[in-house]
Amino acid sequence: GQQLNQSPQSMFIQEGEDVSMNCTSSSIFNTWLWYKQDPGEGPVLLIALYKAGELTSNGRLTAQFGITRKDSFLNISASIPSDVGIYFCAGQLQGGGADGLTFGKGTHLIIQP
Amino acid sequence: DADVTQTPRNRITKTGKRIMLECSQTKGHDRMYWYRQDPGLGLRLIYYSFDVKDINKGEISDGYSVSRQAQAKFSLSLESAIPNQTALYFCATSLAGVTNEQFFGPGTRLTVL
Repeated sequence: GQQLNQSPQSMFIQEGEDVSMNCTSSSIFNTWLWYKQDPGEGPVLLIALYKAGELTSNGRLTAQFGITRKDSFLNISASIPSDVGIYFCAGQLQGGGADGLTFGKGTHLIIQP
Repeated sequence: DADVTQTPRNRITKTGKRIMLECSQTKGHDRMYWYRQDPGLGLRLIYYSFDVKDINKGEISDGYSVSRQAQAKFSLSLESAIPNQTALYFCATSLAGVTNEQFFGPGTRLTVL
């Protein structure tokens, strides 16, 4: 079953605001990935993190691999309408082999005009 | 562009029918995966394949079967569809020995009446 706790479940923000979401677990992960899913489409990879403490940016997006290897966060600065969608964290468990990723349940980002 | 494609994109069927969902990729990746997405539950792994001769069950394989016809093709079958198999189905690919990054197809929306 699910081993990642992703929060918040949904966010209602104004255009231009910064956004922050995170994933936590009681298990240790070797990899953290952040995906975005638009309606009717598959998840698209935004950022990949491979080392504890790693901080990586992709445009207005910044993600960090927690020092304990049990958490990760994603920040979006100065949100714009096209940021609307569902954001998923995903991780590769330590010792989990290559049998797929463990996904969070997603954060729904809604931007109010 | 190298891509992951899924057919059909939408399918409505009746309980008891046999259904096959197909996935093709031009990324040259050796690993392929099938996931199921349900509202509020995120993505759950059904089956995965490391190469043509390697098939492995995921978290929720009961009621499903797969076939890896070639490196580029991985199909998912529902031998006798039931209503609780109504969901979004995603195929994904990754490259062995490089990263844990998975790349998703656009999905198939399956409705079982």
